[in-house]
Amino acid sequence: ILNVEQSPQSLHVQEGDSTNFTCSFPSSNFYALHWYRWETAKSPEALFVMTLNGDEKKKGRISATLNTKEGYSYLYIKGSQPEDSATYLCAPPARQLTFGSGTQLTVLP
Amino acid sequence: DGGITQSPKYLFRKEGQNVTLSCEQNLNHDAMYWYRQDPGQGLRLIYYSQIVNDFQKGDIAEGYSVSREKKESFPLTVTSAQKNPTAFYLCASSTASSGNTIYFGEGSWLTVV
Repeated sequence: ILNVEQSPQSLHVQEGDSTNFTCSFPSSNFYALHWYRWETAKSPEALFVMTLNGDEKKKGRISATLNTKEGYSYLYIKGSQPEDSATYLCAPPARQLTFGSGTQLTVLP
Repeated sequence: DGGITQSPKYLFRKEGQNVTLSCEQNLNHDAMYWYRQDPGQGLRLIYYSQIVNDFQKGDIAEGYSVSREKKESFPLTVTSAQKNPTAFYLCASSTASSGNTIYFGEGSWLTVV
């Protein structure tokens, strides 16, 4: 099972601030990495699938980068809004079945 | 619409009773999963099934049982042997191919009193 670690565990930012957080994983045997957003009272939903070293994906104000050689992925949120408040999870593909503990983001109005 | 349905959303049970949580998907996914979340902790895998009539233990299978008699259904039974059953339970499914994204249900809150 591929173990992933996320940091920080929680984060509070003001509306309009940009922020980022990290997902770390063993760089050997890497295949792909998924980012999920989990809003309160909803199901987690997929944001990005990262597969290649140097990958950069973007969806609106949210983007993610991947470094498979050093074993990390960053998730960036530009100009945070209250609706971005959620827990952000990273995970390898489903077959490896392990999620990070998540970063809980709170955006204060 | 395609998706995953978990029921019930909230469940209260007395200590010592078995409880079954339902999970149904109409996404035609081969693989299904059960996760547990405790306050302040991440998702932990209880059981998973890659195909009908087959399932595997996850990290915290003790005190739980599952069945996979149909592709679309993967019920989880929380038995009286589970020492701390009060938690939030999430069911999920995915295709069996590599690099697959997991789709989640909305979860079930179980409180044992």
